[in-house]
Amino acid sequence: GQQVMQIPQYQHVQEGEDFTTYCNSSTTLSNIQWYKQRPGGHPVFLIQLVKSGEVKKQKRLTFQFGEAKKNSSLHITATQTTDVGTYFCAGSENYGQNFVFGPGTRLSVLP
Amino acid sequence: DTAVSQTPKYLVTQMGNDKSIKCEQNLGHDTMYWYKQDSKKFLKIMFSYNNKELIINETVPNRFSPKSPDKAHLNLHINSLELGDSAVYFCASSQSDLYQETQYFGPGTRLLVL
Repeated sequence: GQQVMQIPQYQHVQEGEDFTTYCNSSTTLSNIQWYKQRPGGHPVFLIQLVKSGEVKKQKRLTFQFGEAKKNSSLHITATQTTDVGTYFCAGSENYGQNFVFGPGTRLSVLP
Repeated sequence: DTAVSQTPKYLVTQMGNDKSIKCEQNLGHDTMYWYKQDSKKFLKIMFSYNNKELIINETVPNRFSPKSPDKAHLNLHINSLELGDSAVYFCASSQSDLYQETQYFGPGTRLLVL
């Protein structure tokens, strides 16, 4: 079945440093979503990517969908303590009928 | 106004008991989900309902039985609770338009089985 992996599992950065998490699917995806979960909170939708090679930006966050639609990345420029949390990617093979979540990358930011 | 709400927020119970978790969404969505998040934070889908009909039923013990009385509600009943059922259970909802499957998660129910 479909598997979604993320690396790294954990990342500790100094405030102001950049951060990137990578998401890889065992199968070609129709679309991919990214979610953020703060400690003790629930996953919150960040963005959805649909097109091959798509790049989207949200302030300091840059999301990319691979050309083959099997991988994606989330890059945060100049991290802040408010960026702390676990970032999940979730991929679908069939346009949202079933999203499979990656294991998440847990980001901690040292002030 | 809470978009997706769950009750209870915390649930501590003995092994062997039966318990229910309730979920309600006021977003007018047609699809609702139950996810289980274990201690390692893996988020795994359990069930998905679209317009009150079951569309996804992952490999979940049949002690777990979802019930959707209407599009706005999806409850989860668990029989004969086991230690391994301890986890955070999230309800979520979405609208099944093409490419618009953003999922809105509830605050979670933290279940501890003793």
